[in-house]
Amino acid sequence: AQSVTQPDIHITVSEGASLELRCNYSYGATPYLFWYVQSPGQGLQLLLKYFSGDTLVQGIKGFEAEFKRSQSSFNLRKPSVHWSDAAEYFCAVGLGSSNTGKLIFGQGTTLQVKP
Amino acid sequence: DGGITQSPKYLFRKEGQNVTLSCEQNLNHDAMYWYRQDPGQGLRLIYYSQIVNDFQKGDIAEGYSVSREKKESFPLTVTSAQKNPTAFYLCASSKQKTGNTIYFGEGSWLTVV
Repeated sequence: AQSVTQPDIHITVSEGASLELRCNYSYGATPYLFWYVQSPGQGLQLLLKYFSGDTLVQGIKGFEAEFKRSQSSFNLRKPSVHWSDAAEYFCAVGLGSSNTGKLIFGQGTTLQVKP
Repeated sequence: DGGITQSPKYLFRKEGQNVTLSCEQNLNHDAMYWYRQDPGQGLRLIYYSQIVNDFQKGDIAEGYSVSREKKESFPLTVTSAQKNPTAFYLCASSKQKTGNTIYFGEGSWLTVV
């Protein structure tokens, strides 16, 4: 069965430090991969997505993610975290052409930023 | 501005009552979705619709119903059969094309009292 795992439920980093949020997926075919961010009580905003091509994907707010097929991973990174990045981050897998929009989400990683 | 509008933002319901959450989009998207979010969990798909007058059950459809009479609208009814309805509900939409981005509304909080 398809699944998405975000191993870290909660991460705390200092402002200005680098960040890496982990995401592993289980899916038999080539996945469509997404990272979303959610502020408390709000909807989800798309940070970036991978469909094909270059495995290093650039997103908004200075985020990037790298698709590694051999490791079934799609980790999110940012070189220097800002206090406004504190939020919950979700990795998701799209199930392909006949299931467009049917995403499977990880449980989320809550990011706390220390001043 | 184009987007997805969910209403109400906050809703309280007594046990045994049905309640309907509204979702309207002006993005001209073909597909619409309802997800449920519980604290500490990811989002789970309740129902989705790829075209007007057609919809399919997601992973947790029991106790919920939907309709898709117009392209722009996809209301969700939480029925009294839903055993644990208190949650945050998110509506989303996308163009019906492989790989298109799914956009989310701001969500509706439902509390059963």
